[in-house]
Amino acid sequence: DSGVTQTPKHLITATGQRVTLRCSPRSGDLSVYWYQQSLDQGLQFLIQYYNGEERAKGNILERFSAQQFPDLHSELNLSSLELGDSALYFCASSVGHGLAGGLTDTQYFGPGTRLTVL
Amino acid sequence: GESVGLHLPTLSVQEGDNSIINCAYSNSASDYFIWYKQESGKGPQFIIDIRSNMDKRQGQRVTVLLNKTVKHLSLQIAATQPGDSAVYFCAENRRGNKLVFGAGTILRVKS
Repeated sequence: DSGVTQTPKHLITATGQRVTLRCSPRSGDLSVYWYQQSLDQGLQFLIQYYNGEERAKGNILERFSAQQFPDLHSELNLSSLELGDSALYFCASSVGHGLAGGLTDTQYFGPGTRLTVL
Repeated sequence: GESVGLHLPTLSVQEGDNSIINCAYSNSASDYFIWYKQESGKGPQFIIDIRSNMDKRQGQRVTVLLNKTVKHLSLQIAATQPGDSAVYFCAENRRGNKLVFGAGTILRVKS
């Protein structure tokens, strides 16, 4: 158990809908990262928040957004869902901001949310 | 562009044998490396890390070797067990840059 929690574990929805995925980082971690993992691709970095502020953006679609709250939990919002959005969505957390290049940037992953869009 | 890649997409080993999973990186400025294990349906799990000022680090049944001359990283698993079957990712952390993950290697352990 990494200490990172994600809810829900599974989510089934229809095209065009909107969903919210939730992540609670490890105690003491200030950074939260979101990744998408589909069957034919590796871990695709979406976005990072550090202490409530957006820190880095990866391959995140405009239909997707995220935020980190004062208690450091984070939510990933996916809207106008398409079939191709079906994937595993992982949240990871680290102590640092991800730029120091060392132990404080080691990311610990949650169990993921499996999203199925029908 | 700069990337972290894996030589072998799938590795099959007999239970009890040692496994070696390889990873190449292209940026000589990389200073920190991490190996993750991902079992089916689960999130990546931290296994072991190594800094660029080291060439070897050992954990429980695992050893990571770093060869900076050829920019190569390997993960050795001793006495491979069925529970070791998973996808293994190497990740590269460069000071001032984000963690970059490789594509992954599938390890299959045959009983």
